[in-house]
Amino acid sequence: QKEVEQDPGPLSVPEGAIVSLNCTYSNSAFQYFMWYRQYSRKGPELLMYTYSSGNKEDGRFTAQVDKSSKYISLFIRDSQPSDSATYLCAMASGSRLTFGEGTQLTVNP
Amino acid sequence: GAVVSQHPSWVICKSGTSVKIECRSLDFQATTMFWYRQFPKQSLMLMATSNEGSKATYEQGVEKDKFLINHASLTLSTLTVTSAHPEDSSFYICSARGPGEGVLHFGNGTRLTVT
Repeated sequence: QKEVEQDPGPLSVPEGAIVSLNCTYSNSAFQYFMWYRQYSRKGPELLMYTYSSGNKEDGRFTAQVDKSSKYISLFIRDSQPSDSATYLCAMASGSRLTFGEGTQLTVNP
Repeated sequence: GAVVSQHPSWVICKSGTSVKIECRSLDFQATTMFWYRQFPKQSLMLMATSNEGSKATYEQGVEKDKFLINHASLTLSTLTVTSAHPEDSSFYICSARGPGEGVLHFGNGTRLTVT
């Protein structure tokens, strides 16, 4: 079993939709939870990170962590075609970072 | 914010030659940098952890003699792919932790094509 599970998609939504991206994990030692966005042929770009359970909001993006369920989510409101990318969840324990497979998202105009 | 610069962004080389990729932390000092490899439609695979002033730590299955890592200063790490072969063609990405952070910031990657 992988430490971090993420549905690779692909996920296709119409412009303006609310997008929900999710990851589950098995290692209770993970302390930091991150979401990265990766456009084709580019390095991952940090979108959001959190250290604790609960919600964190930044513009159209909301990151949610539920440590008791070992489940994290990223919500994108009013999705735009420019949000089309691969979204990677990542979790860290100490110095080691573990990535999910990434979910490929397409927002259609 | 923490910025990581990677160069070149793409390179084509002939089989048997060596290629050097540079990774710089532009506005912060990074005692540790990380090198990843990514195949199409796959996630990032950690190759090695680069420590300033000491030897890199390689992940299992990564040939240290093929992928030479040098971290000569607090802002620069290099990855040299030696005697490259077509199977080394991939997307290589470096990253570093920002000061006082647990998160990683990534360079824009280097697409290597070996012909």
